[in-house]
Amino acid sequence: DTGVSQDPRHKITKRGQNVTFRCDPISEHNRLYWYRQTLGQGPEFLTYFQNEAQLEKSRLLSDRFSAERPKGSFSTLEIQRTEQGDSAMYLCASSPYGANVLTFGAGSRLTVL
Amino acid sequence: AQSVTQLDSHVSVSEGTPVLLRCNYSSSYSPSLFWYVQHPNKGLQLLLKYTSAATLVKGINGFEAEFKKSETSFHLTKPSAHMSDAAEYFCAVTGSARQLTFGSGTQLTVLP
Repeated sequence: DTGVSQDPRHKITKRGQNVTFRCDPISEHNRLYWYRQTLGQGPEFLTYFQNEAQLEKSRLLSDRFSAERPKGSFSTLEIQRTEQGDSAMYLCASSPYGANVLTFGAGSRLTVL
Repeated sequence: AQSVTQLDSHVSVSEGTPVLLRCNYSSSYSPSLFWYVQHPNKGLQLLLKYTSAATLVKGINGFEAEFKKSETSFHLTKPSAHMSDAAEYFCAVTGSARQLTFGSGTQLTVLP
């Protein structure tokens, strides 16, 4: 197992376009998290899945953002009609059920021009 | 609700001297506390965690942290800095909710 994988690592897009990020967690982890990290700040929680169920969503997750984990394995985070304020590093993390230690991926950096 | 304050945004030390990175927390519950390190273009790596066992927690790469409930602090220390320790360090807390709340980070510079 190679840890948490995120794709793409970098994405440059124009304002108004849609983007999608993918996260492949550690295979035996049934919890998956998405965080956003802007320059000079710590990661901020966006949403959390247990298996395929999305159990928590932050107020940061506007209606332009949608996350799915259809089969309880990989997850996608889609941002529609991107804005310059969406430019950030999007981090995925996973953990086993009952554990509160998260393993993070390397992140997907989004630049909106 | 829980929160974390990292008291220094930048810390600079000479190689071989001690490191102290400060973190204060606020939590309505018995907290679990963490320190993560982030090297450029890499994900966050767990250094150590406190989960209500021993108050002095030892982590990887010679780091340790002491949980002080009376001071609501969880400062990270290392006796002797190495050049490879240069990175950004994040303190985080989790309470009743399952997500981590992170501080804004401390950039550690190690001078030769």
